[in-house]
Amino acid sequence: AQSVTQPDIHITVSEGASLELRCNYSYGATPYLFWYVQSPGQGLQLLLKYFSGDTLVQGIKGFEAEFKRSQSSFNLRKPSVHWSDAAEYFCAVGGSQGNLIFGKGTKLSVKP
Amino acid sequence: DSGVTQTPKHLITATGQRVTLRCSPRSGDLSVYWYQQSLDQGLQFLIQYYNGEERAKGNILERFSAQQFPDLHSELNLSSLELGDSALYFCASSPQGAGYGYTFGSGTRLTVV
Repeated sequence: AQSVTQPDIHITVSEGASLELRCNYSYGATPYLFWYVQSPGQGLQLLLKYFSGDTLVQGIKGFEAEFKRSQSSFNLRKPSVHWSDAAEYFCAVGGSQGNLIFGKGTKLSVKP
Repeated sequence: DSGVTQTPKHLITATGQRVTLRCSPRSGDLSVYWYQQSLDQGLQFLIQYYNGEERAKGNILERFSAQQFPDLHSELNLSSLELGDSALYFCASSPQGAGYGYTFGSGTRLTVV
């Protein structure tokens, strides 16, 4: 069965520092992979998605993610974090039923 | 504004009651998905509709049901409510399947007291 693991429940970084959020997935074929962001009290917003092709994917708000098939990973990165990036981040994989399967999320806090 | 509209935003009700959550998908999207978000379970897929037909079922309780109407809006009905049903309920829509990614609504926060 497909699954997504986000090993870090909570990460704190300083404003201006780089960020990497980890995501590992379990899926038999080439997966559809996504990163979403959720601000408190809000719905989820799509940051970026990977279907095929170039393994480095650019998204909105300066985020990027790299698909590594050998490691079953799809880590999210940002070179310089802003205070407004504080939120919860969810990795997801397209499931065989046609739905998305989400990880438990990583909460990002940003220190001034 | 994502284009996916959910009403109401907040709902407080008593155990044993029944409620209906409503979702209007983004214009042009044929698929509607319902998810439940709770602190302990995370985001759990409940059910998907595509152009009026049920397409996939996830961890949806028998006390819960949904439908998608000809105008493509969807309703999630929750009955015989229990304290444990308190959660955020999200609706999302996509043009067809999940491979396109979803657009989420802002959710309905249900509190059962």
